[in-house]
Amino acid sequence: DAKTTQPNSMESNEEEPVHLPCNHSTISGTDYIHWYRQLPSQGPEYVIHGLTSNVNNRMASLAIAEDRKSSTLILHRATLRDAAVYYCILIRGANSKLTFGKGITLSVRP
Amino acid sequence: DSGVTQTPKHLITATGQRVTLRCSPRSGDLSVYWYQQSLDQGLQFLIQYYNGEERAKGNILERFSAQQFPDLHSELNLSSLELGDSALYFCASSLDARPYEKLFFGSGTQLSVL
Repeated sequence: DAKTTQPNSMESNEEEPVHLPCNHSTISGTDYIHWYRQLPSQGPEYVIHGLTSNVNNRMASLAIAEDRKSSTLILHRATLRDAAVYYCILIRGANSKLTFGKGITLSVRP
Repeated sequence: DSGVTQTPKHLITATGQRVTLRCSPRSGDLSVYWYQQSLDQGLQFLIQYYNGEERAKGNILERFSAQQFPDLHSELNLSSLELGDSALYFCASSLDARPYEKLFFGSGTQLSVL
């Protein structure tokens, strides 16, 4: 399965936009890009996913590069509750091993 | 509440023992995934089941085994426990195994091996 690379950590100010990058240079044409986040002491939760086009939902936006080798999760106005570990993963099909890695730790300053 | 139920929430046991972790997926979900999370290793994929059959295997130790029952609940069995097996174990479920399906995670079982 293709791997993703994320920075270890990022800091943001409350109520400002946050752009969390993810590199996936070995992505294949059938890989879906998923983002999950894990708040302290909780299980991961789904944030957003996409294949080729940019996606928006009530939580965030996903911007996918034209060559699909990178993507960016956008939180439009960070809140203190958005402080979490964010995971970018690729899911290919029924037998994907869905490896999450260590993710990027987002800190939000009041 | 994700709809995925894991029991027990906490488990304390001794080295060499065997434990069973239980997961009830969301109603209607056919696919179940098990993950191990320790401080230094992040979230590690162990194994996936779909409608009772094993679908994908990660770095799951031979001392660990899992199964998914006809009612779709799943159990993760950990035997000959070692101190290093202390971790948070998560179960997740999805409607099926298609790549655009969302995963829903339980709140985890914290295993402490003393």
